[in-house]
Amino acid sequence: SAVISQKPSRDICQRGTSLTIQCQVDSQVTMMFWYRQQPGQSLTLIATANQGSEATYESGFVIDKFPISRPNLTFSTLTVSNMSPEDSSIYLCSVDRTAYGYTFGSGTRLTVV
Amino acid sequence: QKEVEQDPGPLSVPEGAIVSLNCTYSNSAFQYFMWYRQYSRKGPELLMYTYSSGNKEDGRFTAQVDKSSKYISLFIRDSQPSDSATYLCAMSETGNEKLTFGTGTRLTIIP
Repeated sequence: SAVISQKPSRDICQRGTSLTIQCQVDSQVTMMFWYRQQPGQSLTLIATANQGSEATYESGFVIDKFPISRPNLTFSTLTVSNMSPEDSSIYLCSVDRTAYGYTFGSGTRLTVV
Repeated sequence: QKEVEQDPGPLSVPEGAIVSLNCTYSNSAFQYFMWYRQYSRKGPELLMYTYSSGNKEDGRFTAQVDKSSKYISLFIRDSQPSDSATYLCAMSETGNEKLTFGTGTRLTIIP
């Protein structure tokens, strides 16, 4: 299955600032997914990123708050903008390996103070 | 009502016991069913991947899907301390890449 490298693994940020999370895959993939995992909550899909097109956002998530880039078939970034303590969560990227299911990165643990 | 319901636990069992983890769901369009294991400070790792109803076995793990009852299960036989983790069920519809997850069950195997 695909190997996903996600950076940073954790960060503590001041409210009002932005953080960009990077996701690198060891093979080319068509679609990359960004999830949020809040304490005691399900993993929730933020958006789907296709190379060469605008990301598709799920209900409750907007591009101004979570801009996504997908410059090539192995890399994507998610930015959490104008952060508030409610944005404290684990953010995960994922790819679909079809016969092998979905593979996840190790996640970015974000704390906003 | 959530689309996928999963008992959050925590669940503690002695080593060697059989563990049963379950999820119920409301969306009859779900066709693909997955179980993920997540260790602390790690991303979810795919354990089992099944399509439609039936059973699938892989070593000590057995996944069951009962679409008529909208109920899926994961059984772990001869449980080991290394099985201590959070187990997440996930499911998706045909032609839709989006996964819908349960909240996860935290499992501890006591040596």
